Amino acid sequence: GENVEQHPSTLSVQEGDSAVIKCTYSDSASNYFPWYKQELGKRPQLIIDIRSNVGEKKDQRIAVTLNKTAKHFSLHITETQPEDSAVYFCAATSPGAGSYQLTFGKGTKLSVIP
Amino acid sequence: DGGITQSPKYLFRKEGQNVTLSCEQNLNHDAMYWYRQDPGQGLRLIYYSQIVNDFQKGDIAEGYSVSREKKESFPLTVTSAQKNPTAFYLCASSAGTAPNSPLHFGNGTRLTVT
Repeated sequence: GENVEQHPSTLSVQEGDSAVIKCTYSDSASNYFPWYKQELGKRPQLIIDIRSNVGEKKDQRIAVTLNKTAKHFSLHITETQPEDSAVYFCAATSPGAGSYQLTFGKGTKLSVIP
Repeated sequence: DGGITQSPKYLFRKEGQNVTLSCEQNLNHDAMYWYRQDPGQGLRLIYYSQIVNDFQKGDIAEGYSVSREKKESFPLTVTSAQKNPTAFYLCASSAGTAPNSPLHFGNGTRLTVT
C-alpha cells in the first residue's frame, strides 16, 4: 500500500516569512495529492490539491509543487500570518480495488510567531 | 456546521463496553469514511463505504464495526476488542471515490475509555 512521509513534524516561523512542508510517497501510481489544514479544535479542511499531470499549482499565498520522478510534493506558504497556525496534513490517493483511498502523512504543526 | 454532524462531541466509557459514534451527512454524498486521529499519527482510515449496504475495512479496522443502512448515516461501533480505543474520531464524506473528490469532515468525537 501507499506510504506517505511528512516533514517536519513541527515548524515555527516569524510572521511574514515563508513556510515549506514536504511529503514523499511510495506508490508511483498515486495521482492526486491534497493538503488539509486543521486549526486547533476544528475539522480538517482541504486547502489545495494537485493532480499528477501538473507540476505546480498556486492559490494566493499557498502553492503546491509535485515532482513525480522523485515522488515528493511540497506545500509553500508565503507571507505567513498568525491565522496560518494549524496542523497541515498531506495525502496521496492511489487507485486500488476499484476505489481510491487517501493515505495521510502524520501532520506538521505550523506556528506563526507574531 | 452544516454538512456532516458527529455526536456526541465528547464520550466517556468504561473499559469493556461497546460504544457507538454517530455520523450523519446531508450532502447527498455516496462515500463515507471513519478516521482515527492520534497525536503524531495523522489520520488513519478505519472503515469506508462507497454505497449503501456496502463497506470496506481500512488500515486499522480491528476492534471496530460499521453499518451503512442509509445513505446519510454511517455509525461506528468501538467494541471491547479494540485495545486502545481512547482517541479522536473523525467521520468524513465525499461525492464519490474518484481521486479528486475532496473529503468533508465532521467536527469529530473525542472518546475516552477508562
